[in-house]
Amino acid sequence: DTEVTQTPKHLVMGMTNKKSLKCEQHMGHRAMYWYKQKAKKPPELMFVYSYEKLSINESVPSRFSPECPNSSLLNLHLHALQPEDSALYLCASSLKREGDTGELFFGEGSRLTVL
Amino acid sequence: AQKITQTQPGMFVQEKEAVTLDCTYDTSDPSYGLFWYKQPSSGEMIFLIYQGSYDQQNATEGRYSLNFQKARKSANLVISASQLGDSAMYFCAMREPASSASKIIFGSGTRLSIRP
Repeated sequence: DTEVTQTPKHLVMGMTNKKSLKCEQHMGHRAMYWYKQKAKKPPELMFVYSYEKLSINESVPSRFSPECPNSSLLNLHLHALQPEDSALYLCASSLKREGDTGELFFGEGSRLTVL
Repeated sequence: AQKITQTQPGMFVQEKEAVTLDCTYDTSDPSYGLFWYKQPSSGEMIFLIYQGSYDQQNATEGRYSLNFQKARKSANLVISASQLGDSAMYFCAMREPASSASKIIFGSGTRLSIRP
């Protein structure tokens, strides 16, 4: 069982809807990530939070809005999405302390369909 | 800029045989970390093995070993005695610098299929 929990597992939304994806970890990791993965493609980095501060934004459109309320929680707020935003959204965490190898621990993903 | 290349889109291997998945990388940072992940059809990314750029020995984890050739900038994954459950997508990935909340980027992946 994964120690990174993502909800919901599946989400269908219209282009005018507002929805959120949620990610939670209780491993004491200090970095959290959002990746987007299209079918048969590698994960693409979207955002990185380090110690609850946004440290990397890979030029993601503003219709995706990340939020890190505390060190265990990571949200991705979705608004006015396009059909091409349909993908598997993966949350990951890493880095219990400096000097760790820093491997990512992934959740099972939220599969998003935009109609 | 960092770059990861996997040149094998797909591979078929007979059960119980060993298989090598290729990965080459490019970076100008002397400190980096290399990872291999497995993604079954269920979608979850599973961490397999890690190699740090300063590690003197090749990493091993059970049936997985990493053939790290620093001068050639290659980090091939070797799976010994393959099993049907090894059928999945395999991604090579790199973080630079190592041990920080920096980017991890992924190669394009290799789909491994194990034949009974």
